[in-house]
Amino acid sequence: DGGITQSPKYLFRKEGQNVTLSCEQNLNHDAMYWYRQDPGQGLRLIYYSQIVNDFQKGDIAEGYSVSREKKESFPLTVTSAQKNPTAFYLCASSLRDTGVCTFGSGTRLTVV
Amino acid sequence: AQSVSQHNHHVILSEAASLELGCNYSYGGTVNLFWYVQYPGQHLQLLLKYFSGDPLVKGIKGFEAEFIKSKFSFNLRKPSVQWSDTAEYFCAVLRNSGNTPLVFGKGTRLSVIA
Repeated sequence: DGGITQSPKYLFRKEGQNVTLSCEQNLNHDAMYWYRQDPGQGLRLIYYSQIVNDFQKGDIAEGYSVSREKKESFPLTVTSAQKNPTAFYLCASSLRDTGVCTFGSGTRLTVV
Repeated sequence: AQSVSQHNHHVILSEAASLELGCNYSYGGTVNLFWYVQYPGQHLQLLLKYFSGDPLVKGIKGFEAEFIKSKFSFNLRKPSVQWSDTAEYFCAVLRNSGNTPLVFGKGTRLSVIA
């Protein structure tokens, strides 16, 4: 079945450690996105990529980094510079410029 | 700042009541409009979308939304809600200026009680 796989589902890290969240899709979508979901804040865009080897910052990119070396994969690194990293992270993909996104099941990151 | 506004943070309805969730956006120019839904414990999924044509669009599970260009609005409606409609609903806008991602509202949590 085609879809997006995010792993792990739950992740615990100590403060000051970098952590990488995985996102893989087999939908042959060009565009991939990372959103952060906090209660009452909706979905806020962290980074997005419309094509391999290219990505753009979203509204809340500070403290995060991404790479897009393969069409299928768009990993997100939460660095120690992110002041409030505990959150639910959603990855999505779409055909370019359609807005019809397929979402993963999310990763809940807790930093202690 | 350009944005997407959802007026209600949490709506509580009894089964069979009618639903209307407000959504306004502040972008000029041509836009595509969406409602996404997140049922408890499930993936965010597309409920309905508007690209062009008839401003009244119908989606899954009896939902519909009306695009009113003059009001920059895209309100979601359902004549009679069911307990299974309990979920969080997100309005989203895609500007047709190219190479831009979806912008989401803050969401409205709907609780339907028996």
